Amino acid sequence: AQKVTQAQTEISVVEKEDVTLDCVYETRDTTYYLFWYKQPPSGELVFLIRRNSFDEQNEISGRYSWNFQKSTSSFNFTITASQVVDSAVYFCALREQAGTALIFGKGTTLSVSS
Amino acid sequence: KAGVTQTPRYLIKTRGQQVTLSCSPISGHRSVSWYQQTPGQGLQFLFEYFSETQRNKGNFPGRFSGRQFSNSRSEMNVSTLELGDSALYLCASSLGQATNVLTFGAGSRLTVL
Repeated sequence: AQKVTQAQTEISVVEKEDVTLDCVYETRDTTYYLFWYKQPPSGELVFLIRRNSFDEQNEISGRYSWNFQKSTSSFNFTITASQVVDSAVYFCALREQAGTALIFGKGTTLSVSS
Repeated sequence: KAGVTQTPRYLIKTRGQQVTLSCSPISGHRSVSWYQQTPGQGLQFLFEYFSETQRNKGNFPGRFSGRQFSNSRSEMNVSTLELGDSALYLCASSLGQATNVLTFGAGSRLTVL
């Protein structure tokens, strides 16, 4: 069965610190898709990135970077030089090729103070 | 380009009542999914509709139902409300393939008293 684990429930950092959010997933499918979403206090889930199982290339987008490692079934998310506006709940999610449902982790609440 | 619109944003009901939530997807998106978010259980998949047909269903009791109209707009209904149904209900739309990104609405926050 598929499962997503975000072991870090809450993380607090001071502005300009780097922070890494961990995500470990379980699936028996060989083709699957991984996602990160951000949920600010307003409640709407905002898409950040999608990664296909056959593409292990890491990605950098501005202050955000993602490290996908199939060998350890991990898809970690790093924010460099964090800002107060990064404060939100971050969710990692998995979708298998044959499925239509997103399986979410429990989320990591990131608090960035100035 | 308009996003996913959910109505109402907030509502309060009492136990035993029923509620209907509405979701208007992004234009051109034929898939609409519903998720329940609670502090205890997190984000859980309710069901997904594609071209007016329920394509997938999560592990929820039959009190939770939904439908999709020919214009892709979707509604979900919860009958005989229980206190535990208090949650944020999120709707998401997509083109319908596994690789597609789900775009979420702002949610409908239901409080059951």
